[in-house]
Amino acid sequence: GQNIDQPTEMTATEGAIVQINCTYQTSGFNGLFWYQQHAGEAPTFLSYNVLDGLEEKGRFSSFLSRSKGYSYLLLKELQMKDSASYLCAVRDGVDSSYKLIFGSGTRLLVRP
Amino acid sequence: DTEVTQTPKHLVMGMTNKKSLKCEQHMGHRAMYWYKQKAKKPPELMFVYSYEKLSINESVPSRFSPECPNSSLLNLHLHALQPEDSALYLCASSQRAGVYEQYFGPGTRLTVT
Repeated sequence: GQNIDQPTEMTATEGAIVQINCTYQTSGFNGLFWYQQHAGEAPTFLSYNVLDGLEEKGRFSSFLSRSKGYSYLLLKELQMKDSASYLCAVRDGVDSSYKLIFGSGTRLLVRP
Repeated sequence: DTEVTQTPKHLVMGMTNKKSLKCEQHMGHRAMYWYKQKAKKPPELMFVYSYEKLSINESVPSRFSPECPNSSLLNLHLHALQPEDSALYLCASSQRAGVYEQYFGPGTRLTVT
């Protein structure tokens, strides 16, 4: 079966660092995406990992370990505007599927 | 231009109505997608078009009918919907169906009465 797990909610303080974890079990694997979604808005692309290791993009970094079925999104120097849901999504590589399987999302609340 | 546009932003329709949702992108992307998102849930894939051909239908009821008139446009025709179909309908596009990131439109908030 297909399963993607993320914590439901997290709280952090402005200026701090927060790590959002994602574990997955899928039939195939052809990349992992992180999206940010503010309430009532569309998801916006943050990062893509297909090989093991850390991808850094400004204040955001994403890590992947394919052997462990594990990824995390690291947000540094948190700002109030980072309060949003963060969606982990895995591309199932079976039969060249184009399907993105989304986790339920982690709602992050940044407090002053 | 990295924008996917969707119209209308909000739609209220009765169970006997016929309506259409529209999506447009001018990024030269050749893959387009329809997703359904209920409140506090992740997006669920409905349809994928690749080079204007339907490549994936995720067992969506026939009351939802997609159409891709050309490489920039994607429609979702709605007929005889149920109240449980009320949701945010998101359109997305990517350079190709495959490993490329998907760009999402702002969505259409649909309420079925």
